[in-house]
Amino acid sequence: AQRVTQPEKLLSVFKGAPVELKCNYSYSGSPELFWYVQYSRQRLQLLLRHISRESIKGFTADLNKGETSFHLKKPFAQEEDSAMYYCALSGLGLTGGGNKLTFGTGTQLKVEL
Amino acid sequence: DAGVTQSPTHLIKTRGQQVTLRCSPKSGHDTVSWYQQALGQGPQFIFQYYEEEERQRGNFPDRFSGHQFPNYSSELNVNALLLGDSALYLCASSALRPQETQYFGPGTRLLVL
Repeated sequence: AQRVTQPEKLLSVFKGAPVELKCNYSYSGSPELFWYVQYSRQRLQLLLRHISRESIKGFTADLNKGETSFHLKKPFAQEEDSAMYYCALSGLGLTGGGNKLTFGTGTQLKVEL
Repeated sequence: DAGVTQSPTHLIKTRGQQVTLRCSPKSGHDTVSWYQQALGQGPQFIFQYYEEEERQRGNFPDRFSGHQFPNYSSELNVNALLLGDSALYLCASSALRPQETQYFGPGTRLLVL
């Protein structure tokens, strides 16, 4: 069974402070991990995925298979980072992409001035 | 390209009624997935359609059914509505190629009274 856990419903930080949004997963096969973000009144959109190994809007995430974690980090929070963040997991399948996503419950990030 | 579109944006139904939600995928995409997002929860996978057939299904009862048309657009049907079916229903589209990203629509907010 696939499961994603985001232990914090709300994370409040000051502008310029480091941010870490936690994500742990449970999956028996080879997982693909994602972070999706939803800004106020906007649709859910992909922020980054572990196979791309890229930094988007200053955010990075490293897949730690030993700890089954995929925490999202940013060294200096900006006001525009305030949003709902969802960690998601998909099984890497031979049939290709677009496999079902299993989401966590989300963490609301609030960046205060 | 307007991206993934969904209709209607909002819907109110009463218990026992039936509802049909619609989704048009992003241009170039042939795979459509549906998710249910209850208040305060992450999206939950309902099912996925490719080549007009259900390719994967989540843990939802048979009251939830779908269809995909030759132009790749899709419908989600829910019969015998329950109060617990009140949620935001999200459609996501992708191409069935390895490592393809799912793009989400704005969702349809369903309220069952």
